[in-house]
Amino acid sequence: DGGITQSPKYLFRKEGQNVTLSCEQNLNHDAMYWYRQDPGQGLRLIYYSQIVNDFQKGDIAEGYSVSREKKESFPLTVTSAQKNPTAFYLCASSIGAAQNTEAFFGQGTRLTVV
Amino acid sequence: AQSVTQLGSHVSVSEGALVLLRCNYSSSVPPYLFWYVQYPNQGLQLLLKYTSAATLVKGINGFEAEFKKSETSFHLTKPSAHMSDAAEYFCAVSGYGNQFYFGTGTSLTVIP
Repeated sequence: DGGITQSPKYLFRKEGQNVTLSCEQNLNHDAMYWYRQDPGQGLRLIYYSQIVNDFQKGDIAEGYSVSREKKESFPLTVTSAQKNPTAFYLCASSIGAAQNTEAFFGQGTRLTVV
Repeated sequence: AQSVTQLGSHVSVSEGALVLLRCNYSSSVPPYLFWYVQYPNQGLQLLLKYTSAATLVKGINGFEAEFKKSETSFHLTKPSAHMSDAAEYFCAVSGYGNQFYFGTGTSLTVIP
């Protein structure tokens, strides 16, 4: 079945450590996104990529980094510069830049800093 | 620029009653609008989308939404609530480069 796979589902990190969240899709979608979800704040865009080897910052990119070396993969690294990384992280993809196509979401990764 | 506002962070309805979740949008161009549902600790699932083909859009699980340009609204309704409808609902608008701008969500509680 086609879809988006995020791993791990739960992740614990010590303060000062970098951590990478995995996102893989087999939908053959060009565009991929990372969102952060906090209670009462909806989804906020961290980074997005419309094509391989290209990505743009979203509204809250500080303290995060991404890469897009393959069409199906869009890993997110939460660096030690992110001051409050504990959150639920969602990866999504869509067919492409056309505005009338929906985003498909993974099941999320819950990151907790201990 | 595009944005959406969801009125009411929490809505409670009795089982069998009408569900109405409100969403107003702001867009400088004809909008593409979406409603998603999220169950606890899961990703978002598309309920329905408006892409200008018809103003009344029918989605999954008996939900529908009506696009009203004069009111800049895209409210989500369901005639009869079911216990399984209890979840978080998000309205979203699509912008340049197919970025999605989400509202802050509405938590729906269904009372038996």
